[in-house]
Amino acid sequence: GAGVSQSPSNKVTEKGKDVELRCDPISGHTALYWYRQSLGQGLEFLIYFQGNSAPDKSGLPSDRFSAERTGGSVSTLTIQRTQQEDSAVYLCASSLKVGGGTEAFFGQGTRLTVV
Amino acid sequence: AQKVTQAQTEISVVEKEDVTLDCVYETRDTTYYLFWYKQPPSGELVFLIRRNSFDEQNEISGRYSWNFQKSTSSFNFTITASQVVDSAVYFCALAKAAGNKLTFGGGTRVLVKP
Repeated sequence: GAGVSQSPSNKVTEKGKDVELRCDPISGHTALYWYRQSLGQGLEFLIYFQGNSAPDKSGLPSDRFSAERTGGSVSTLTIQRTQQEDSAVYLCASSLKVGGGTEAFFGQGTRLTVV
Repeated sequence: AQKVTQAQTEISVVEKEDVTLDCVYETRDTTYYLFWYKQPPSGELVFLIRRNSFDEQNEISGRYSWNFQKSTSSFNFTITASQVVDSAVYFCALAKAAGNKLTFGGGTRVLVKP
């Protein structure tokens, strides 16, 4: 597609439920990133995928968070047993490669509200 | 550990005024990259500029200019003759050479009034 696409744009869920957030990167981009933007913590890195390499999960805040990238393209971020502190905007980005300061292109984000 | 500080949380100006956004960073790496992103109300982060740590040349792009000073670990951004469309949150970010994880500053909200 023309840009990074994320769905849904908004999600309201009840505390304790699982949610899945989807990211469709720019075609041909081998690197994909997830970030979280919240009022208290600003913009935080969560995880990134580069080709077939093992993902860098160093930013995931707890084991309730996981992500996968199927076929080197679409990625799904899953949050299990959601908590109110998970409420945030989840941003996905993609880039042609990792390293060398390669520009990352961001999607419009998924606003998650846990009630 | 890397850190980016944007001391100004919000700046309000009247159209046509110049506005400078400060960014100070900390890193132990000798090779790194600095970025500025714009986040308009729509929420999407828009790339503005990238500099590597070996290139201290200042850059101008239209009404935007950037001043990179390694000696003070600063990468400041100036909007000249601001316009209402410049109203957004602006983020400074830092990345290591070997990866693309971005460490963001807290952002500066710019409000340009007509």
